[in-house]
Amino acid sequence: DAGITQSPRHKVTETGTPVTLRCHQTENHRYMYWYRQDPGHGLRLIHYSYGVKDTDKGEVSDGYSVSRSKTEDFLLTLESATSSQTSVYFCAISETGQGLGPQHFGDGTRLSIL
Amino acid sequence: SQQGEEDPQALSIQEGENATMNCSYKTSINNLQWYRQNSGRGLVHLILIRSNEREKHSGRLRVTLDTSKKSSSLLITASRAADTASYFCQYSGGGADGLTFGKGTHLIIQP
Repeated sequence: DAGITQSPRHKVTETGTPVTLRCHQTENHRYMYWYRQDPGHGLRLIHYSYGVKDTDKGEVSDGYSVSRSKTEDFLLTLESATSSQTSVYFCAISETGQGLGPQHFGDGTRLSIL
Repeated sequence: SQQGEEDPQALSIQEGENATMNCSYKTSINNLQWYRQNSGRGLVHLILIRSNEREKHSGRLRVTLDTSKKSSSLLITASRAADTASYFCQYSGGGADGLTFGKGTHLIIQP
């Protein structure tokens, strides 16, 4: 399995609080992605990174920010969590972008916002 | 939304039978990939087919691509209980970083 670690694996928090999810990789892949998975929607891209300090928005980026200060770490922040952000969040990595090669996924973070 | 559609949404078959699931998309693509997701886990890459390919095999998996119909199919032959999972297509073209996922097919293999 590709070396991807997501933390925490589970989190319950209250509306209005800040939340940061971490994705750590040991593969030295250039591309990193944050997805959310909700019933009936499949996986939707939140933000992605194509290098250190290089990030771009995905389909559902409103309410989320990201940072990548090192190749191995990609952080997803919910500045003020809302109940609509309750979801399962997946990090993925890839050697190439634009779907030219496979993505490798972490096992997800289950986030509940009450 | 550029999100593709997969059908069926759910499929239940007997062990040993073949399972076919389909993916339709809306844009021109460079390639298309299939992933499997077991319950509570991340997605695992299965196979990639390029836009200039029509069919590709990997073990018990066969993927076809028809760019004129903007559709792909994944066939799993001689299904096993361990094939129970959700299956997603992902294609390049139209989304951020050019990647979009279908909504998935949930496959149940009855022993």
